Amino acid sequence: GENVEQHPSTLSVQEGDSAVIKCTYSDSASNYFPWYKQELGKRPQLIIDIRSNVGEKKDQRIAVTLNKTAKHFSLHITETQPEDSAVYFCAVSTSGTYKYIFGTGTRLKVLA
Amino acid sequence: NAGVTQTPKFQVLKTGQSMTLQCAQDMNHEYMSWYRQDPGMGLRLIHYSVGAGITDQGEVPNGYNVSRSTTEDFPLRLLSAAPSQTSVYFCASSYSGQNYEQYFGPGTRLTVT
Repeated sequence: GENVEQHPSTLSVQEGDSAVIKCTYSDSASNYFPWYKQELGKRPQLIIDIRSNVGEKKDQRIAVTLNKTAKHFSLHITETQPEDSAVYFCAVSTSGTYKYIFGTGTRLKVLA
Repeated sequence: NAGVTQTPKFQVLKTGQSMTLQCAQDMNHEYMSWYRQDPGMGLRLIHYSVGAGITDQGEVPNGYNVSRSTTEDFPLRLLSAAPSQTSVYFCASSYSGQNYEQYFGPGTRLTVT
């Protein structure tokens, strides 16, 4: 089955710096790659997603890039702010399986 | 719209007890799923459903049952609770089981002693 690895598990950055989180997947048939943000004690919420026919997508300070050949995709957060501090999860969905497989999460701390 | 709702928010069970975690959505979503969240292990899929009357197993289905008699409701049943089932449980729904955003409920924190 699909396997998703997420790195790093923790990440500390200074306010204003950029943060990058990377996920790798195993199934070349995977075609949907969402990123979720989970604040402490809250539910996960989608922040950005990308489909396999697109290489990059941006939404203000966040962006996701996809490399299908290497089977990895990354979340980029620029000009980080304290409210970006949370746990971020990547996920992968593979056509025909109806399953979303999540990475193990990255705890991002933005230091003021 | 209330979105995805879950009850209860907190629950303590003794080993061997059974219970049902409730999940409902009012967005007319076909796809619903249950996850458990444990420290350092992310969200793991327990069971999912692509429509009323249709359910299937996820990554960690053992010890759990589900049914989907209506589009709105997707209860998760613990048959005989074990300490290993101590976790936070999230229900989620989506327009479709493929390539669409999942909306999560607020979660149920379950402790089994």
